Amino acid sequence: GAGVSQSPSNKVTEKGKDVELRCDPISGHTALYWYRQSLGQGLEFLIYFQGNSAPDKSGLPSDRFSAERTGGSVSTLTIQRTQQEDSAVYLCASSLLAQGPTYEQYFGPGTRLTVT
Amino acid sequence: SQQGEEDPQALSIQEGENATMNCSYKTSINNLQWYRQNSGRGLVHLILIRSNEREKHSGRLRVTLDTSKKSSSLLITASRAADTASYFCATGGMDSSYKLIFGSGTRLLVRP
Repeated sequence: GAGVSQSPSNKVTEKGKDVELRCDPISGHTALYWYRQSLGQGLEFLIYFQGNSAPDKSGLPSDRFSAERTGGSVSTLTIQRTQQEDSAVYLCASSLLAQGPTYEQYFGPGTRLTVT
Repeated sequence: SQQGEEDPQALSIQEGENATMNCSYKTSINNLQWYRQNSGRGLVHLILIRSNEREKHSGRLRVTLDTSKKSSSLLITASRAADTASYFCATGGMDSSYKLIFGSGTRLLVRP
């Protein structure tokens, strides 16, 4: 079946502009996650959705970052007034459940964001 | 801050040899997972081991977990050139097992 998809795959933007990154999770997966990966580093947790609500936003680095999820499916990560330090690969993942026996998170291919 | 630290940071081996990667973490965990990443993009889930498990196998992969030492190892046997990738461990906490904390990864190169 279809995996997690993300768009765009690459985004180059000027400093100060706003960007929107989209994630389409696997159908039926109730949990959705956003991570950020800087060059040569591991992944940094940003936010977790259960359905349309976000019980854990603790990883969002500043109030310039926000995310929403609608219909228990598609999620959008928005970065306002982008800065050069926002340059990274933004990865989305989904899982059937967030707790219990099905922990595995399935990752999308990521969006590479470059802020010039 | 990152929970897990992988060791070594980079590993180069000949095809057919075994590859061992280690992961250490700092706080109590619910589970530990290993992921593989090709070309800096999407991650592929390899194996999950729960805190009450000590060893798990999946094909050519063997994972061990020592909660007393807060460490895990991933062994890939009979490596292939296609195993070349970065490998990350990720821990799920006791109160928030969904919130995976990733290490910085081991870059594995398997020479044909």
